[in-house]
Amino acid sequence: DGGITQSPKYLFRKEGQNVTLSCEQNLNHDAMYWYRQDPGQGLRLIYYSQIVNDFQKGDIAEGYSVSREKKESFPLTVTSAQKNPTAFYLCASSIDREAFFGQGTRLTVV
Amino acid sequence: GENVEQHPSTLSVQEGDSAVIKCTYSDSASNYFPWYKQELGKRPQLIIDIRSNVGEKKDQRIAVTLNKTAKHFSLHITETQPEDSAVYFCAASNQASGTYKYIFGTGTRLKVLA
Repeated sequence: DGGITQSPKYLFRKEGQNVTLSCEQNLNHDAMYWYRQDPGQGLRLIYYSQIVNDFQKGDIAEGYSVSREKKESFPLTVTSAQKNPTAFYLCASSIDREAFFGQGTRLTVV
Repeated sequence: GENVEQHPSTLSVQEGDSAVIKCTYSDSASNYFPWYKQELGKRPQLIIDIRSNVGEKKDQRIAVTLNKTAKHFSLHITETQPEDSAVYFCAASNQASGTYKYIFGTGTRLKVLA
């Protein structure tokens, strides 16, 4: 069954800790993206990647880091430098023009 | 920087009426404009898209129009039904080095009242 999978669905983090969100796709898509969704602010681009070992900052990259060691995987690390990390995080991949989204990870800082 | 403005933020219509959501983009190099529907607790899904060389596209009850001169595009839903209730996002993208960098609007929460 082809698709894009994010895990976990819910994640709780203590202040000052780093946490990594997983995103895996078996669609053979070259491009992958991370978005943050907050109420009333739509989807804001954190990082995106076109090919393995290459990625670009989006509009709100501060406090986040990514890696793209495999075509199928694009994990996002939320570092302790991110001042307001509580949000819903969406991963997407694309080929040609259409972007396909994962189910999202809801991160809560406790 | 690149920006997409979307209006209104909320929209309530009676079942059977039409709904219109409008977006304006800032990057004149944008050449692809998708619309996504996000139901509560679910992932956004593409419902219709339009490319810069087309002025209008229709798919059953949904249509999108594009005015490149004004940098403006709109989503039109006719004969609305309760299952159309969701949050709708517009986006604009410009292929840069082979990657479509999508800039999304802030979303419109559509409520269709039965």
